[in-house]
Amino acid sequence: EDQVTQSPEALRLQEGESSSLNCSYTVSGLRGLFWYRQDPGKGPEFLFTLYSAGEEKEKERLKATLTKKESFLHITAPKPEDSATYLCAVPRTGSARQLTFGSGTQLTVLP
Amino acid sequence: DVKVTQSSRYLVKRTGEKVFLECVQDMDHENMFWYRQDPGLGLRLIYFSYDVKMKEKGDIPEGYSVSREKKERFSLILESASTNQTSMYLCASRTSGSYEQFFGPGTRLTVL
Repeated sequence: EDQVTQSPEALRLQEGESSSLNCSYTVSGLRGLFWYRQDPGKGPEFLFTLYSAGEEKEKERLKATLTKKESFLHITAPKPEDSATYLCAVPRTGSARQLTFGSGTQLTVLP
Repeated sequence: DVKVTQSSRYLVKRTGEKVFLECVQDMDHENMFWYRQDPGLGLRLIYFSYDVKMKEKGDIPEGYSVSREKKERFSLILESASTNQTSMYLCASRTSGSYEQFFGPGTRLTVL
């Protein structure tokens, strides 16, 4: 059975304190890994797609990387506006129309 | 930009009422999805549709039905709302050429 596990569940950082969020997965034949940002009371907003091990994507203070078993979302010098829940997801084995989501990491950046 | 809209941001209904949640996307996506999101349980797929009038059950279809009469519109129906259906409901869509799903803003449904 596909599994997507995110850690930590919650992370509190001081403004400017860089860190990484982890998304580990077990699926047969990865067909992509997606990162989303979700603000309280809103729908997830798409951030990145990674397709193969070694791939990296960047957007402002965020950089996503992918290995064969996990993905990292690195946050460099975060600001309070980066506070949100970050979700990762992968297409399901045998039913790529569907995504399996991790439970998310709730990031709080303190000023 | 892909735009997915949902008919209501907040909705309050009574137990036993029939509830309609509507979702519209403007990017000609073939696939549309309904999820519910609850604290500690994450995103769970209720139903999805890969074409007009086509639908498939997700992980938790009980108590729900869907309708897709037009490509851009996907409706979620709670036949007889119950308190355990109080939740955040999220609609998403994607094109068949990609696995990325794009989400609407969500509907916070409270069933009293």
